[in-house]
Amino acid sequence: NAGVTQTPKFQVLKTGQSMTLQCAQDMNHEYMSWYRQDPGMGLRLIHYSVGAGITDQGEVPNGYNVSRSTTEDFPLRLLSAAPSQTSVYFCASSYSQGSRANVLTFGAGSRLTVL
Amino acid sequence: LAKTTQPISMDSYEGQEVNITCSHNNIATNDYITWYQQFPSQGPRFIIQGYKTKVTNEVASLFIPADRKSSTLSLPRVSLSDTAVYYCLVGASGAGSYQLTFGKGTKLSVIP
Repeated sequence: NAGVTQTPKFQVLKTGQSMTLQCAQDMNHEYMSWYRQDPGMGLRLIHYSVGAGITDQGEVPNGYNVSRSTTEDFPLRLLSAAPSQTSVYFCASSYSQGSRANVLTFGAGSRLTVL
Repeated sequence: LAKTTQPISMDSYEGQEVNITCSHNNIATNDYITWYQQFPSQGPRFIIQGYKTKVTNEVASLFIPADRKSSTLSLPRVSLSDTAVYYCLVGASGAGSYQLTFGKGTKLSVIP
């Protein structure tokens, strides 16, 4: 049981390049989300999804796109990378109902540097 | 959305009990209170969850007063390996908003 798998673990981009951070979970969780973490800022929600075909914006969605074509996968796309998007990105998943809706399982993180 | 407020940092000596309090004044009726622990270069991991009164597991205890406007995570007899950032999360049961937003967390430093 792998839990939440994120790839790549590290990535360096040049300003203006695009890329996709991959996230996959094998726990049959309905809810999936992306956070970014910057020093001193805690975790900030980028986008989330409550099921296949359903996505919504979080606190800091600008510059990012998501899609949810399957229950298992929730990729995060950077359309035109900017230095301000240098951060550590975490994918998380959980059940969507009841007390378990707040019990998030996090991936190991993807460290992105934009030059 | 319930906003949470925690102390930015705390120091404790090994072997002491540590209590970290989280304020969540606008908690909704359906909201649960969940605490996470994060080590450097790792994703947060679930520690404990509660709705009211007291919950205890093998790692920690969680105290929630009757008005539920705050909660206290209690770590008994901390060791150096408990040095981490601790986050409280207040969110809906799924009947309402799914925006699970974290505060800035409390950085706990355990001193030998």
